[in-house]
Amino acid sequence: SQQGEEDPQALSIQEGENATMNCSYKTSINNLQWYRQNSGRGLVHLILIRSNEREKHSGRLRVTLDTSKKSSSLLITASRAADTASYFCATGSGGGADGLTFGKGTHLIIQP
Amino acid sequence: DTEVTQTPKHLVMGMTNKKSLKCEQHMGHRAMYWYKQKAKKPPELMFVYSYEKLSINESVPSRFSPECPNSSLLNLHLHALQPEDSALYLCASSQWDREETQYFGPGTRLLVL
Repeated sequence: SQQGEEDPQALSIQEGENATMNCSYKTSINNLQWYRQNSGRGLVHLILIRSNEREKHSGRLRVTLDTSKKSSSLLITASRAADTASYFCATGSGGGADGLTFGKGTHLIIQP
Repeated sequence: DTEVTQTPKHLVMGMTNKKSLKCEQHMGHRAMYWYKQKAKKPPELMFVYSYEKLSINESVPSRFSPECPNSSLLNLHLHALQPEDSALYLCASSQWDREETQYFGPGTRLLVL
């Protein structure tokens, strides 16, 4: 079953602009992760935020987590053409090997 | 080495064929996963192996048979598949008792005719 719901489903912006994607989930979580997928290939892990964290940064990425609203956002600043991809949030209940439940994803297009 | 490899990259098979997908990692991870992804959909968990034992089977039809011969290798045996099984099959691995970050392979794109 799908846990996360991304919003928007598709986003097209100009290169250099910031892109914001949102994710909502339904059950309690230990962590929330964001992954990127280029053109139906393998997923690349971007960032993990734990349930006791509110914000996390990695390079041009900023992730926030609001456990009271069961939502997270991913901000990509100063977007580049290479950021064109699908972005998925994923939740795990902790303990490593329980698999991930992915949201529906946001398809991001960066116009040059 | 932080890579998960999958072979083959592409596979076309008939409904009566038997084929296998292979996944390999040399990161010392003790958990390995199979996901199925249909076009324009998110990945869906199929199986989880931890310490070479099957720990999760998400009600996957028996025409899909996973196997973990050793801690580095994960196979998915396919038999009597249906056209609706056509999808991208993704393998992933993770540390068992540390971070839950999963490392994904590039996938095998399967077409069942």
